[in-house]
Amino acid sequence: DIQMNQSPSSLSASVGDRVTITCQASHDINNYLNWYQQKPGKAPNLLIYDASNLETGVPLRFSGSGSGTEFTFTISSLQPEDIATYYCLQYDNLPSTFGQGTKLEI
Amino acid sequence: QVQLVQSGAEVKKPGSSVKVSCKASGGTLSTYAISWVRQAPAGQGLEWMGGIIPVLGTIKYAQKFQGRVTLTADGSASTAYMDLSSLRSEDTAVYYCARGRYFDWSLKTWGQGTLVTVSS
Repeated sequence: DIQMNQSPSSLSASVGDRVTITCQASHDINNYLNWYQQKPGKAPNLLIYDASNLETGVPLRFSGSGSGTEFTFTISSLQPEDIATYYCLQYDNLPSTFGQGTKLEI
Repeated sequence: QVQLVQSGAEVKKPGSSVKVSCKASGGTLSTYAISWVRQAPAGQGLEWMGGIIPVLGTIKYAQKFQGRVTLTADGSASTAYMDLSSLRSEDTAVYYCARGRYFDWSLKTWGQGTLVTVSS
């Protein structure tokens, strides 16, 4: 199975801050890497697909980059509504595997 | 856009089975890959269990669940099902279905989740 090492596990930031989360894959995943936001009691919500593509309707302050095994998720200017847990997912090889999650606090 | 609507919460005894449904709203599941993902209580991590592409007859299972989980879809491909047997307390979790963009495992759209509680 491909291991996804996501860091940090938690992060405290202020409104307006730039926030960065990383995911490292144990093997090349051909950019089949998504980023999700999950709020308590809700299903995950797709923000970025295929490493760098913004899902329809998602605010422009969210972005993704990277290739091969190293990927980065960025919130350019943190808003109060961004409080959530964020996960990466690789779906290049089954079983699909998730990062451990990053809990974002303000 | 096809949305996914799951069945309601379940409480099961250890050793029993549970069947969770995932119904398409606004279309069918026939042009999508449907995955099942679970999340243990208190917002723990996400775990991919397996997936099905009804129109192709493709079914994939994670090794961890092989032999205990069965994924199916009805003939019209409007509803997918996840059957988990030999339940134990560690199976207490929220179970999600999610669909890909098409025949891919990208988990674009998710159901609302179904809480399964295993308790004696």
